Amino acid sequence: KQEVTQIPAALSVPEGENLVLNCSFTDSAIYNLQWFRQDPGKGLTSLLLIQSSQREQTSGRLNASLDKSSGRSTLYIAASQPGDSATYLCAVNVGGGSNYKLTFGKGTLLTVNP
Amino acid sequence: EAQVTQNPRYLITVTGKKLTVTCSQNMNHEYMSWYRQDPGLGLRQIYYSMNVEVTDKGDVPEGYKVSRKEKRNFPLILESPSPNQTSLYFCASRARLAGVNEQFFGPGTRLTVL
Repeated sequence: KQEVTQIPAALSVPEGENLVLNCSFTDSAIYNLQWFRQDPGKGLTSLLLIQSSQREQTSGRLNASLDKSSGRSTLYIAASQPGDSATYLCAVNVGGGSNYKLTFGKGTLLTVNP
Repeated sequence: EAQVTQNPRYLITVTGKKLTVTCSQNMNHEYMSWYRQDPGLGLRQIYYSMNVEVTDKGDVPEGYKVSRKEKRNFPLILESPSPNQTSLYFCASRARLAGVNEQFFGPGTRLTVL
């Protein structure tokens, strides 16, 4: 059974700092990996999607890497801003067959202090 | 605008009173699914649908029903809600095409069962 772990569970940083969020998964046979952002009481916003054949994806100040063989992904946020404060969720897709189910980690709660 | 919509966004009901949460997507996606999010447990899949008239159980299907009579709609039905179904519910969709892998989520429905 696929399990996804995110470390740390919570992180507080001063504005402007670069930071890394970690995600690990137990079964390396994934189809892709997706990073989401969730604001309190709100829905999920997709940030980056990495296919199993890719090593990284970039969008603005965000960079996500994937090492499938070791079961790890990182989300790098450059020059953090208070508006980046949210919960960040990592999810792996083990589908490609009949169910494109996402297995989620429990998230990292990020607080960026002005 | 490409989106997944859910209604209602907030619902307070009583034990045993049947309810339906609607989900609709305008992206012509074949695949749709429902998740619930609970503190400490993360997001877990309830049901999914690969296409019209094709549905199957996810990880936590007990107490729920779904139907897929049209491609755009995937309602979640609680025939006899119980307090342990108090949760935040998300609908998601994606295309069933090679190379088009991103899953899109609705804004969520916060359900309280008294």
